[in-house]
Amino acid sequence: DAKTTQPNSMESNEEEPVHLPCNHSTISGTDYIHWYRQLPSQGPEYVIHGLTSNVNNRMASLAIAEDRKSSTLILHRATLRDAAVYYCIGGTSGTYKYIFGTGTRLKVLA
Amino acid sequence: GAGVSQSPRYKVAKRGQDVALRCDPISGHVSLFWYQQALGQGPEFLTYFQNEAQLDKSGLPSDRFFAERPEGSVSTLKIQRTQQEDSAVYLCASSLKMGFNEKLFFGSGTQLSVL
Repeated sequence: DAKTTQPNSMESNEEEPVHLPCNHSTISGTDYIHWYRQLPSQGPEYVIHGLTSNVNNRMASLAIAEDRKSSTLILHRATLRDAAVYYCIGGTSGTYKYIFGTGTRLKVLA
Repeated sequence: GAGVSQSPRYKVAKRGQDVALRCDPISGHVSLFWYQQALGQGPEFLTYFQNEAQLDKSGLPSDRFFAERPEGSVSTLKIQRTQQEDSAVYLCASSLKMGFNEKLFFGSGTQLSVL
């Protein structure tokens, strides 16, 4: 299974950008990189995903390293509602398992 | 509603009881996944279906755990002879198609407490 490594926790000030890193050195060439976030007492929520090039949507941006061994989720202006656990997920070749790690707990300071 | 629905929201069972957890995926979604989330941990994969076919059940922790999706829509996760270590939130997710380019849509989960 593709293993991902993320910092346990990060802090950000409100209205400032946040860069959440993820290492996925064992990911295969055809596996997408996904990011989900989970607020307390809720199921995970899709944030963004990509394969090789950088991706943008209304929630965030995803910057994928050229060698695909790492990626960074970028929240352009953190709000208090962005406080959550963020999970980076790499694919598992031959199956469609989405393997979650322990995630990064993001704290946003007012 | 248009989202993934799970019931019950909370379930308390005495050790040794059997429980059944239900998941209603988004209508038309082909793929369905079950995850187990212990307190303070990330979701752990249990099993997934493509329509009614269970394609991977490698994450089921023991033969006490059984999942089915007989008509390719609603799914049930059954746990027999519950143990205290089964206490967790059980999450269901669905996606429109099978493939790692698909978004997963999660329900709010069933919190199971085994006393």
